[in-house]
Amino acid sequence: SQQGEEDPQALSIQEGENATMNCSYKTSINNLQWYRQNSGRGLVHLILIRSNEREKHSGRLRVTLDTSKKSSSLLITASRAADTASYFCATDVNFGNEKLTFGTGTRLTIIP
Amino acid sequence: GAGVSQSPSNKVTEKGKDVELRCDPISGHTALYWYRQSLGQGLEFLIYFQGNSAPDKSGLPSDRFSAERTGGSVSTLTIQRTQQEDSAVYLCASSLGLAAFYEQFFGPGTRLTVL
Repeated sequence: SQQGEEDPQALSIQEGENATMNCSYKTSINNLQWYRQNSGRGLVHLILIRSNEREKHSGRLRVTLDTSKKSSSLLITASRAADTASYFCATDVNFGNEKLTFGTGTRLTIIP
Repeated sequence: GAGVSQSPSNKVTEKGKDVELRCDPISGHTALYWYRQSLGQGLEFLIYFQGNSAPDKSGLPSDRFSAERTGGSVSTLTIQRTQQEDSAVYLCASSLGLAAFYEQFFGPGTRLTVL
Protein backbone atom coordinates (compact mmCIF):
# COMPACT_ATOMS: atom_id res chain seq x y z
CA SER A 1 0.00 0.00 0.00
CA GLN A 2 1.11 3.56 -0.58
CA GLN A 3 2.84 5.41 2.24
CA GLY A 4 1.75 8.74 0.83
CA GLU A 5 -1.58 9.45 -0.76
CA GLU A 6 -2.32 12.76 -2.39
CA ASP A 7 -5.69 14.40 -2.47
CA PRO A 8 -7.31 15.36 -4.75
CA GLN A 9 -6.23 13.06 -7.54
CA ALA A 10 -6.89 15.83 -10.06
CA LEU A 11 -7.40 19.57 -9.77
CA SER A 12 -8.19 22.20 -12.39
CA ILE A 13 -8.08 25.91 -11.59
CA GLN A 14 -7.92 29.21 -13.42
CA GLU A 15 -4.56 30.87 -13.87
CA GLY A 16 -3.90 33.26 -11.01
CA GLU A 17 -5.84 31.24 -8.46
CA ASN A 18 -4.24 29.34 -5.61
CA ALA A 19 -3.93 25.56 -5.68
CA THR A 20 -3.88 23.38 -2.60
CA MET A 21 -3.12 19.69 -2.55
CA ASN A 22 -2.80 17.37 0.39
CA CYS A 23 -0.75 14.35 1.31
CA SER A 24 -1.44 11.80 4.00
CA TYR A 25 1.02 9.18 5.17
CA LYS A 26 0.94 6.27 7.54
CA THR A 27 4.15 5.92 9.53
CA SER A 28 6.61 8.05 11.44
CA ILE A 29 8.91 10.05 9.21
CA ASN A 30 12.11 12.05 9.30
CA ASN A 31 11.16 14.43 6.54
CA LEU A 32 8.61 14.92 3.80
CA GLN A 33 9.42 16.07 0.31
CA TRP A 34 7.34 17.37 -2.57
CA TYR A 35 8.22 16.74 -6.20
CA ARG A 36 6.74 17.98 -9.46
CA GLN A 37 6.60 16.03 -12.69
CA ASN A 38 5.80 17.43 -16.10
CA SER A 39 6.59 16.32 -19.60
CA GLY A 40 9.10 19.10 -20.17
CA ARG A 41 11.35 18.83 -17.12
CA GLY A 42 10.67 15.38 -15.76
CA LEU A 43 10.60 14.87 -12.00
CA VAL A 44 11.96 17.80 -10.00
CA HIS A 45 12.39 18.32 -6.28
CA LEU A 46 10.40 21.27 -4.92
CA ILE A 47 10.82 21.40 -1.18
CA LEU A 48 11.81 19.35 1.87
CA ILE A 49 10.20 19.90 5.25
CA ARG A 50 11.63 18.29 8.35
CA SER A 51 9.48 16.51 10.88
CA ASN A 52 10.16 19.22 13.48
CA GLU A 53 9.01 21.98 11.13
CA ARG A 54 5.42 23.03 10.71
CA GLU A 55 5.62 25.33 7.73
CA LYS A 56 8.08 26.16 5.01
CA HIS A 57 8.07 28.60 2.11
CA SER A 58 9.87 28.65 -1.21
CA GLY A 59 8.84 31.33 -3.67
CA ARG A 60 5.17 30.78 -4.48
CA LEU A 61 5.14 27.46 -2.62
CA ARG A 62 4.01 26.99 0.95
CA VAL A 63 4.20 23.59 2.61
CA THR A 64 2.74 22.65 5.96
CA LEU A 65 3.30 19.51 7.97
CA ASP A 66 1.16 18.15 10.77
CA THR A 67 2.86 15.09 12.21
CA SER A 68 0.02 14.46 14.66
CA LYS A 69 -2.36 14.02 11.72
CA LYS A 70 0.30 12.52 9.49
CA SER A 71 -0.52 14.99 6.75
CA SER A 72 1.04 17.71 4.66
CA SER A 73 -0.29 20.31 2.28
CA LEU A 74 1.27 22.08 -0.67
CA LEU A 75 -0.09 25.51 -1.59
CA ILE A 76 0.85 27.14 -4.87
CA THR A 77 -0.11 30.80 -4.94
CA ALA A 78 -0.86 32.90 -8.02
CA SER A 79 -0.77 29.85 -10.27
CA ARG A 80 0.70 29.98 -13.77
CA ALA A 81 0.24 27.81 -16.82
CA ALA A 82 3.72 26.43 -16.24
CA ASP A 83 2.55 24.98 -12.92
CA THR A 84 0.53 22.39 -14.83
CA ALA A 85 2.07 19.11 -13.70
CA SER A 86 1.66 16.17 -11.36
CA TYR A 87 2.71 16.75 -7.78
CA PHE A 88 3.96 13.96 -5.53
CA CYS A 89 4.75 13.81 -1.86
CA ALA A 90 7.51 11.47 -0.74
CA THR A 91 8.49 10.25 2.70
CA ASP A 92 10.77 7.81 4.35
CA VAL A 93 9.00 5.03 6.23
CA ASN A 94 9.34 4.41 9.98
CA PHE A 95 12.44 6.61 10.13
CA GLY A 96 14.07 4.55 7.40
CA ASN A 97 16.52 7.01 5.97
CA GLU A 98 17.63 5.27 2.85
CA LYS A 99 14.66 5.38 0.57
CA LEU A 100 11.54 7.34 -0.18
CA THR A 101 8.02 6.16 -0.81
CA PHE A 102 6.06 8.27 -3.26
CA GLY A 103 2.34 8.83 -3.40
CA THR A 104 0.24 8.46 -6.52
CA GLY A 105 0.19 12.21 -7.14
CA THR A 106 -2.19 15.08 -7.79
CA ARG A 107 -2.62 16.08 -11.41
CA LEU A 108 -2.87 19.89 -11.49
CA THR A 109 -4.12 21.68 -14.58
CA ILE A 110 -3.93 25.47 -14.81
CA ILE A 111 -6.45 26.90 -17.24
CA PRO A 112 -5.17 30.04 -19.00
CA GLY B 1 26.53 21.06 -14.75
CA ALA B 2 25.33 17.81 -16.24
CA GLY B 3 22.34 16.18 -14.66
CA VAL B 4 21.38 12.54 -14.44
CA SER B 5 21.27 10.90 -17.84
CA GLN B 6 19.60 7.69 -18.88
CA SER B 7 19.74 5.60 -22.00
CA PRO B 8 17.99 4.61 -24.08
CA SER B 9 15.14 7.08 -23.82
CA ASN B 10 12.79 4.54 -25.39
CA LYS B 11 13.04 0.79 -25.68
CA VAL B 12 10.61 -1.52 -27.43
CA THR B 13 11.25 -5.21 -27.00
CA GLU B 14 9.54 -8.49 -27.50
CA LYS B 15 8.28 -10.58 -24.63
CA GLY B 16 10.99 -12.92 -23.39
CA LYS B 17 13.94 -10.78 -24.44
CA ASP B 18 16.44 -9.27 -22.02
CA VAL B 19 16.94 -5.51 -21.74
CA GLU B 20 19.57 -3.30 -20.16
CA LEU B 21 18.88 0.22 -19.00
CA ARG B 22 21.68 2.60 -18.17
CA CYS B 23 21.97 5.46 -15.70
CA ASP B 24 24.76 8.03 -15.40
CA PRO B 25 24.37 9.84 -12.07
CA ILE B 26 25.61 13.28 -11.20
CA SER B 27 29.33 13.20 -10.47
CA GLY B 28 30.02 13.02 -6.77
CA HIS B 29 26.61 11.67 -5.81
CA THR B 30 27.09 8.62 -3.64
CA ALA B 31 23.47 7.46 -3.66
CA LEU B 32 21.71 6.07 -6.73
CA TYR B 33 18.12 4.88 -6.99
CA TRP B 34 16.02 3.07 -9.54
CA TYR B 35 12.24 3.53 -9.65
CA ARG B 36 9.50 2.29 -11.92
CA GLN B 37 6.47 4.35 -12.88
CA SER B 38 3.49 2.78 -14.58
CA LEU B 39 1.05 4.92 -16.55
CA GLY B 40 -0.73 7.39 -14.27
CA GLN B 41 0.84 5.93 -11.16
CA GLY B 42 3.36 7.04 -8.58
CA LEU B 43 6.91 5.85 -8.33
CA GLU B 44 7.69 2.33 -7.21
CA PHE B 45 11.08 1.91 -5.53
CA LEU B 46 13.21 -0.83 -7.06
CA ILE B 47 16.80 -0.69 -5.77
CA TYR B 48 19.21 1.64 -4.00
CA PHE B 49 23.00 1.93 -4.01
CA GLN B 50 24.95 3.91 -1.42
CA GLY B 51 28.70 4.17 -1.80
CA ASN B 52 30.38 0.79 -1.43
CA SER B 53 27.63 -0.71 0.70
CA ALA B 54 25.60 -3.67 -0.44
CA PRO B 55 22.60 -2.46 -2.45
CA ASP B 56 19.10 -2.47 -1.03
CA LYS B 57 17.25 -4.75 -3.44
CA SER B 58 14.05 -4.93 -1.44
CA GLY B 59 11.95 -3.31 -4.14
CA LEU B 60 12.87 -5.56 -7.04
CA PRO B 61 9.62 -7.25 -8.12
CA SER B 62 11.14 -10.57 -9.17
CA ASP B 63 14.43 -12.35 -9.69
CA ARG B 64 14.27 -11.36 -13.36
CA PHE B 65 15.35 -7.89 -12.24
CA SER B 66 18.93 -7.09 -11.27
CA ALA B 67 21.12 -4.03 -11.12
CA GLU B 68 24.72 -3.19 -10.65
CA ARG B 69 26.71 -0.06 -10.13
CA THR B 70 30.26 -0.08 -11.41
CA GLY B 71 32.97 2.02 -9.82
CA GLY B 72 30.45 3.84 -7.71
CA SER B 73 29.15 5.67 -10.76
CA VAL B 74 27.26 4.25 -13.74
CA SER B 75 24.45 1.83 -13.02
CA THR B 76 22.74 -0.74 -15.22
CA LEU B 77 19.31 -2.20 -14.56
CA THR B 78 18.79 -5.53 -16.30
CA ILE B 79 15.44 -7.18 -16.86
CA GLN B 80 15.61 -10.76 -18.07
CA ARG B 81 12.85 -12.55 -19.96
CA THR B 82 10.74 -9.42 -20.12
CA GLN B 83 7.00 -9.64 -19.61
CA GLN B 84 4.27 -7.26 -20.73
CA GLU B 85 3.71 -6.14 -17.14
CA ASP B 86 7.29 -4.82 -17.13
CA SER B 87 6.18 -2.04 -19.50
CA ALA B 88 6.69 1.24 -17.65
CA VAL B 89 8.97 4.23 -17.37
CA TYR B 90 12.13 3.40 -15.45
CA LEU B 91 13.57 6.37 -13.60
CA CYS B 92 16.99 6.75 -12.10
CA ALA B 93 17.86 9.31 -9.44
CA SER B 94 21.01 10.27 -7.59
CA SER B 95 21.66 12.28 -4.47
CA LEU B 96 24.44 13.35 -2.15
CA GLY B 97 23.27 11.02 0.58
CA LEU B 98 20.38 9.38 2.33
CA ALA B 99 17.06 9.86 0.58
CA ALA B 100 15.26 11.14 3.64
CA PHE B 101 17.63 14.08 3.98
CA TYR B 102 18.81 14.98 0.50
CA GLU B 103 17.10 16.10 -2.67
CA GLN B 104 16.97 13.45 -5.36
CA PHE B 105 17.88 14.45 -8.90
CA PHE B 106 16.02 12.43 -11.49
CA GLY B 107 16.95 11.46 -15.00
CA PRO B 108 14.50 11.72 -17.91
CA GLY B 109 13.66 8.04 -17.70
CA THR B 110 13.60 5.10 -20.09
CA ARG B 111 10.19 4.19 -21.47
CA LEU B 112 10.09 0.41 -21.84
CA THR B 113 7.43 -1.23 -23.95
CA VAL B 114 7.21 -5.00 -24.00
CA LEU B 115 5.16 -6.33 -26.89
